[in-house]
Amino acid sequence: AQRVTQPEKLLSVFKGAPVELKCNYSYSGSPELFWYVQYSRQRLQLLLRHISRESIKGFTADLNKGETSFHLKKPFAQEEDSAMYYCALSEGRSYKLIFGSGTRLLVRP
Amino acid sequence: NAGVMQNPRHLVRRRGQEARLRCSPMKGHSHVYWYRQLPEEGLKFMVYLQKENIIDESGMPKERFSAEFPKEGPSILRIQQVVRGDSAAYFCASSPLRELDYGYTFGSGTRLTVV
Repeated sequence: AQRVTQPEKLLSVFKGAPVELKCNYSYSGSPELFWYVQYSRQRLQLLLRHISRESIKGFTADLNKGETSFHLKKPFAQEEDSAMYYCALSEGRSYKLIFGSGTRLLVRP
Repeated sequence: NAGVMQNPRHLVRRRGQEARLRCSPMKGHSHVYWYRQLPEEGLKFMVYLQKENIIDESGMPKERFSAEFPKEGPSILRIQQVVRGDSAAYFCASSPLRELDYGYTFGSGTRLTVV
């Protein structure tokens, strides 16, 4: 069955430190992977998707099919990056998203 | 464009009552999706609707839950005879197309508490 695993519930780093939010998935086909972010008191919003291969707010994520991972990285964390981050998978271009349980990133000053 | 509007933001119901959650999609979006987030879990797909049609309800519990998206008005997720286990955050999303090429736009969610 398709599954998305985010092993860390909470990740706490100091401002300026590198950040890596882990995401592993299980899916036999060609998935599309996404990262969504939810800032405090705001709605869930798309941060980036693997097919775009773009960097948003300094974040990047590379799809590693061999390790079935899609880790989210940022070289220098900022306090405003503190939020809940969700990794999600869709089957090809399907409308249905499968979410991980989320990781709360806390960036300390 | 006000985005996807969900109301109410918070809803408290006693066991056995009915809960009605409303979702107005973004202007120009004709596809609506409902997701549920139980405590400490990720969002889970419930149902996908287009105007007047249920396209995929594979994630809906078989009993007590229903959804509609009428020709006029918002989409409604209805939970009859609520139980404590229904306490969760319910998110609605909309998109202009079926595929995720343009991504979803999520609402702020309705947090249902059953007491």
